[in-house]
Amino acid sequence: GEDVEQSLFLSVREGDSSVINCTYTDSSSTYLYWYKQEPGAGLQLLTYIFSNMDMKQDQRLTVLLNKKDKHLSLRIADTQTGDSAIYFCAESIHSGYALNFGKGTSLLVTP
Amino acid sequence: EPEVTQTPSHQVTQMGQEVILRCVPISNHLYFYWYRQILGQKVEFLVSFYNNEISEKSEIFDDQFSVERPDGSNFTLKIRSTKLEDSAMYFCASSEGNRGRDYGYTFGSGTRLTVV
Repeated sequence: GEDVEQSLFLSVREGDSSVINCTYTDSSSTYLYWYKQEPGAGLQLLTYIFSNMDMKQDQRLTVLLNKKDKHLSLRIADTQTGDSAIYFCAESIHSGYALNFGKGTSLLVTP
Repeated sequence: EPEVTQTPSHQVTQMGQEVILRCVPISNHLYFYWYRQILGQKVEFLVSFYNNEISEKSEIFDDQFSVERPDGSNFTLKIRSTKLEDSAMYFCASSEGNRGRDYGYTFGSGTRLTVV
């Protein structure tokens, strides 16, 4: 199947910005998502972007999409210790279709 | 805020036994899904369900697996004869699925299945 790749770990200091990167291979990906998973918990949808968009901002979160390079990033401004979690990038070709997840980036925020 | 409810949160079963994982999707959602996450690995798609039938399934979803919407609220995943490698966290999800207005899936908090 098509691949979604993410770096596995990221460590930042509290108050800094975090940037989590994701690349995907399926050129027909239409919907791209970021999910957050805290220890022992389910998957929480953080934000999503459609493939006809370049950027989406939602409070401390900024998503950038480079469709030509098939690169997606999630920037978290003023990162807090409560942001420590695993962040999953996911894509689907159509609303209602299966989500294809990356392996997740484990974000550690240190005081 | 509406949520997807899964029960039980943790189930331990013996190899070869049948298990049923239960989910209550969000009431006005049309698409229902099961995903699983083996410890330390990525979240994998199993099956999607729409209009009372399977709309898509992955290679993982073989004859050992089945899904059912037995009434207007529940959505179940049955594993007929569990294997050790079925041990995983199983996530149920639902979505509105409206074309052009996709807000992503809402996931439940998962059922951790341990096969011994």
